[in-house]
Order: sequence, then structure tokens, then C-alpha cells
Amino acid sequence: DTGVSQDPRHKITKRGQNVTFRCDPISEHNRLYWYRQTLGQGPEFLTYFQNEAQLEKSRLLSDRFSAERPKGSFSTLEIQRTEQGDSAMYLCASSLADRPRYGYTFGSGTRLTVV
Amino acid sequence: AQTVTQSQPEMSVQEAETVTLSCTYDTSESDYYLFWYKQPPSRQMILVIRQEAYKQQNATENRFSVNFQKAAKSFSLKISDSQLGDAAMYFCAYRTMRGAAGNKLTFGGGTRVLVKP
Repeated sequence: DTGVSQDPRHKITKRGQNVTFRCDPISEHNRLYWYRQTLGQGPEFLTYFQNEAQLEKSRLLSDRFSAERPKGSFSTLEIQRTEQGDSAMYLCASSLADRPRYGYTFGSGTRLTVV
Repeated sequence: AQTVTQSQPEMSVQEAETVTLSCTYDTSESDYYLFWYKQPPSRQMILVIRQEAYKQQNATENRFSVNFQKAAKSFSLKISDSQLGDAAMYFCAYRTMRGAAGNKLTFGGGTRVLVKP
């Protein structure tokens, strides 16, 4: 297992287009998180899954955002009708539910630029 | 809601010297975890050190140590014998132990550490 993988690493899209990002967590981790990080800021929580269930969504996650984790394995984050304000780094992380003291393992992120 | 504040946007340190990063947080909880994460340029965020709030002893990991002051809600990170590879953004993060709210990390705004050769 090589850790948390995110694809693509970079995405440039025109305003109004839809984009989808993928995250492959560490295989034995049952929790998966999505965060958004704008330049020079700390990551902000978007949503998280335990297995295939989406258990919490931030108010930052507008109706244009949707996340799925079918079968409790990889996850996708889709942004519809992208806006310039969506430009950010989207980070995925995973963890074990019964090991909270170990924090998360993060992926390298997907940098989205909306032009 | 919990908040985490890092008041130093950037810190500079000479190689082999020591630098201390500050972090304060606001919470009404008594049981929680605190973390420091390192994010090198264009690379993934990695865990540097953790502290459980119920432990009085400050955590230490090699050249990294913390000064945890629970009453003051302060959690500073000391990097000793700084190396060029320590140059990165450092984020302080909080996680409650309580129920469903303990499922996410709340991050501070980060401190950029520059290491001068």
C-alpha cells in the first residue's frame, strides 16, 4: 500500500464546467475525509465517510458539490458548474475509526484552477 | 465550535538553530487531541507530533517537541537543530475525543518556516 492517492494532481477547467476528483485511501482505513485548502490557509473540512456512508457535510459544501464512496473503497468529489471561487487544493485523507490518536494520512491533493 | 489560531505567518531560522511555533485554540472540551502537521512545498501533509490532552507530559519526537499548556490552551512546537528539510508550512490541528464531532480535524492557518543555510 503506497498511502493515499489522489487523481488528478492538477486540473484546469473553464468556469461552468463540471470536474470530478478521485481519492484512493489506505486500504484498511474505514474513514475518508475531504478538505479544501486555499492558498496560504489551513485545510477546511468538507465532508467525511465511514465505509460507504457519508456521515457529515460542512456548510462549505454547497449544492454544486457532491461526494460518493461506493463500496467503502475509493471516493469521488464532483463539482458542478465550477466557479472561480472553487479554485483551491482539494485534499483527501483517511484514517481508522478506532485509532483517533493517530490523526489522518493525507494524499498529495488535487489542485483545481478555474479560469 | 473549536477554533485554532496560529499567530505567526512566517518564521525564519538559521540551520542548526531552534525555532518555536505558537498555537492557541479555543474549546470547552476537556478531552481532545492536538497535532502538528508539516506540509512541504507541493508535497503531502505529514504528521509531526501528537499530544493527548489528558497527558501532562509534553510529547517529543526526535528534534520536535511541544509545550502543552492546557489551562492556557496553548500548544507550541519547538524544532531543535533545524535542518534544510524542515522548511515547510506547519499546521496546528485540534480533534475532540467526544462522539461524532471527533471525526474531523480543525486546522490553524499555518506558519511558514524558512531555514537559512
